[in-house]
Amino acid sequence: AQSVTQLDSQVPVFEEAPVELRCNYSSSVSVYLFWYVQYPNQGLQLLLKYLSGSTLVKGINGFEAEFNKSQTSFHLRKPSVHISDTAEYFCAVSEDADKLIFGTGTRLQVFP
Amino acid sequence: DAGVIQSPRHEVTEMGQEVTLRCKPISGHNSLFWYRQTMMRGLELLIYFNNNVPIDDSGMPEDRFSAKMPNASFSTLKIQPSEPRDSAVYFCASSFNRRNTEAFFGQGTRLTVV
Repeated sequence: AQSVTQLDSQVPVFEEAPVELRCNYSSSVSVYLFWYVQYPNQGLQLLLKYLSGSTLVKGINGFEAEFNKSQTSFHLRKPSVHISDTAEYFCAVSEDADKLIFGTGTRLQVFP
Repeated sequence: DAGVIQSPRHEVTEMGQEVTLRCKPISGHNSLFWYRQTMMRGLELLIYFNNNVPIDDSGMPEDRFSAKMPNASFSTLKIQPSEPRDSAVYFCASSFNRRNTEAFFGQGTRLTVV
């Protein structure tokens, strides 16, 4: 069965610093991988996705993620964060492009 | 497009009462998903529909929960009777062609059962 592990429940970082949010998955077959962002009192918004092809995926708001099959990881990165990036970030996996299984989320807190 | 619309945004109800959550998907989308978000369990897929037909309801916690999609523009999630442990934020999402990967989420309904 597929599952997602987000190792960090909270990540505090200062503005303009780089950040990496970790995500590991388990699956017995090929998967599709996603990162979603949730701002306070909002629904989830797709940041980026990996379906196939290049393992480095670029998304909105300057975020990118790299699919590493050997390490079963899909870490999210941004070279310089802004206060406005403060939000909850969810990694998700799907084996059949139908059902998304979400991780427990990582709260990114950006300080001035 | 106004996006996925959920109502109400907040609901407070007493234990034992019936609760109905509503969702209007994005026009043209033919798949609809109901999720529940709690601190303890994170985001859980409860059920999803394709072309108004329930495809997978394995995430529905128990018989107290039921969902319907009478037409392409409306869905309901009902809890009867409600219990305090049902308190959560319930999200509806819609997508085109069963591609949950491109799902668009509503703003959620925060349910509190006292």
